[in-house]
Amino acid sequence: SQTIHQWPATLVQPVGSPLSLECTVEGTSNPNLYWYRQAAGRGLQLLFYSVGIGQISSEVPQNLSASRPQDRQFILSSKKLLLSDSGFYLCAWSGGGQETQYFGPGTRLLVL
Amino acid sequence: ILNVEQSPQSLHVQEGDSTNFTCSFPSSNFYALHWYRWETAKSPEALFVMTLNGDEKKKGRISATLNTKEGYSYLYIKGSQPEDSATYLCAHSYNTDKLIFGTGTRLQVFP
Repeated sequence: SQTIHQWPATLVQPVGSPLSLECTVEGTSNPNLYWYRQAAGRGLQLLFYSVGIGQISSEVPQNLSASRPQDRQFILSSKKLLLSDSGFYLCAWSGGGQETQYFGPGTRLLVL
Repeated sequence: ILNVEQSPQSLHVQEGDSTNFTCSFPSSNFYALHWYRWETAKSPEALFVMTLNGDEKKKGRISATLNTKEGYSYLYIKGSQPEDSATYLCAHSYNTDKLIFGTGTRLQVFP
């Protein structure tokens, strides 16, 4: 069966510090991978989307970047965090098309 | 950005009550409509993926309907139980499998 891992679960970082959140998927190959963010009082917003290694689509302009160095690994990064980057970050995978997206456990990021 | 609206924003019901929520989405370029349940401290859990106008799906006491021509979906819970307490999210995709989520309906079921 497929599983999706995210770490860390919680992170407190100062403004201006770098960020690296990691997501890995097991039990499937060539998944579509997604990064979402839920800011306080708002819905889930798609940040990045990837259909394959090295292929990243950015959905909204922001202070973040994503990379997919391996088929089942998706990394969310920032060089300098802003206060507005605080939120709950979810990674998800799907088989593509109209298939369900399956979410990881999430990372709660607080930027102070 | 094509908005997805959910109502009500929150709902409190007694155990045993039946309830329903609404998800509204743009009717043009429809691809699929997803429903998720998101319990506190857990990952969003997929309930349904609906693609055809008139679709009805059922999972236990939870069911959903879809009207793609007018752009809405209803989620029904029959005989609510305390374990149904969660935020229910709908998400719309248009032409691709990228999802646009609503802000959710937060359901609390009191014993």
